[in-house]
Amino acid sequence: QVQLVESGGGLVKPGGSLRLSCAASGFTFSDYYMIWIRQAPGKGLEWVSYISSSSTTIKYADSVKGRFTISRDNAKNSLYLQMNSLGAEDTALYYCARVSGYSGYVADYWGQGTLVTVSS
Amino acid sequence: DIQMTQSPSTLSASVGDRVTITCRASQSISTWLAWYQQKPGKAPKLLIYEASRLESGVPSRFSGTGSGTEFTLTISSLQPDDFATYYCQQYNGYFVSFGGGTKVESK
Repeated sequence: QVQLVESGGGLVKPGGSLRLSCAASGFTFSDYYMIWIRQAPGKGLEWVSYISSSSTTIKYADSVKGRFTISRDNAKNSLYLQMNSLGAEDTALYYCARVSGYSGYVADYWGQGTLVTVSS
Repeated sequence: DIQMTQSPSTLSASVGDRVTITCRASQSISTWLAWYQQKPGKAPKLLIYEASRLESGVPSRFSGTGSGTEFTLTISSLQPDDFATYYCQQYNGYFVSFGGGTKVESK
């Protein structure tokens, strides 16, 4: 069965950096786009970034562009999100999700999320 | 950027009620719209994509309609398991955005 397990979250000071990872299993990782979506405590969902199966197409939300970098390692079935220059507004639960193979940027499987807290 | 506006933000309903949630896009998105259900402490679950296509395994009491800028999610007969928050998501073009969510609570 499809499994996505995020890791790497934690407490970081403003201006700091963090690298999130997402380990995928149960499907052919290299065939799918992947996406990061975040949710601030008590708030709604916010798209962060997505990456194509071969890493040739990458897009970011304006709120993270220039600070976050998405990448993947198909040999390791892993997705990453490098987050730099973090601010309080980046405090959120970060979900890794698989983009469905049948309709645009729809997320059909999600991990349970990893919590990032930016605070001094 | 395409803004998505959901209404209402909170909806009080009883088991057996017909429930309708609306999502409006700031510009036309054709039918590039999905709906998700999220329960407290859980990841969202895909219910509907392309405005009206039911994801595999999702009960048929869920349905979606609309195109262009106005969309609805309908639960034909609310079940105890359906009390949750629902989000719409547009995926027209390269960028993605979500509505603010609609919490369906028990009346």
